[in-house]
Amino acid sequence: NAGVMQNPRHLVRRRGQEARLRCSPMKGHSHVYWYRQLPEEGLKFMVYLQKENIIDESGMPKERFSAEFPKEGPSILRIQQVVRGDSAAYFCASSQTSGYEYEQYFGPGTRLTVT
Amino acid sequence: AQSVTQPDIHITVSEGASLELRCNYSYGATPYLFWYVQSPGQGLQLLLKYFSGDTLVQGIKGFEAEFKRSQSSFNLRKPSVHWSDAAEYFCAVGVRNSGYALNFGKGTSLLVTP
Repeated sequence: NAGVMQNPRHLVRRRGQEARLRCSPMKGHSHVYWYRQLPEEGLKFMVYLQKENIIDESGMPKERFSAEFPKEGPSILRIQQVVRGDSAAYFCASSQTSGYEYEQYFGPGTRLTVT
Repeated sequence: AQSVTQPDIHITVSEGASLELRCNYSYGATPYLFWYVQSPGQGLQLLLKYFSGDTLVQGIKGFEAEFKRSQSSFNLRKPSVHWSDAAEYFCAVGVRNSGYALNFGKGTSLLVTP
């Protein structure tokens, strides 16, 4: 499967724990985007990364959230000390190199539940 | 304020009937426009996109959309709906020279009846 891969698909965490969400972009894609979908809402942009660089984090909450896309391995969205309001579906998208950034292909998402 | 509006939260159509889902946007710059479909518990699949050129674009699964600059709209259409089209549909806008984030509408839920 050459599509965007995300794992886990479902994640349950207790309040105060950490959540780590992983995203492997499509083959040949080097740009990764994270979006969050709250219930009854559309997707909201969080962060845009290229390998080893955060390009745009204008949608990231100021605290507890961080993202990385290392030279090797998947992109990671990390949420520290989760709260109930973090419960949502988190989608990763990827695109090709410069000139194709708007053509984003989405993964199946990780559904985070905070108990 | 910049926004993407999908006026219809839910739409119900009979199988075989035609479909039109509305999308309006309010951005000053020339937008890039997209329609995505999301089946329950699944990710988003790109149906079609508009960057420039012919304002009527064809997508996958028999869908098409028309960009009307004067109305700031990008409505999605299908001449004959199939039961498998039941899903959530999202309109999204990218704004050139304003970052690469896509701005999504809240979605329209399509129900197809026999």
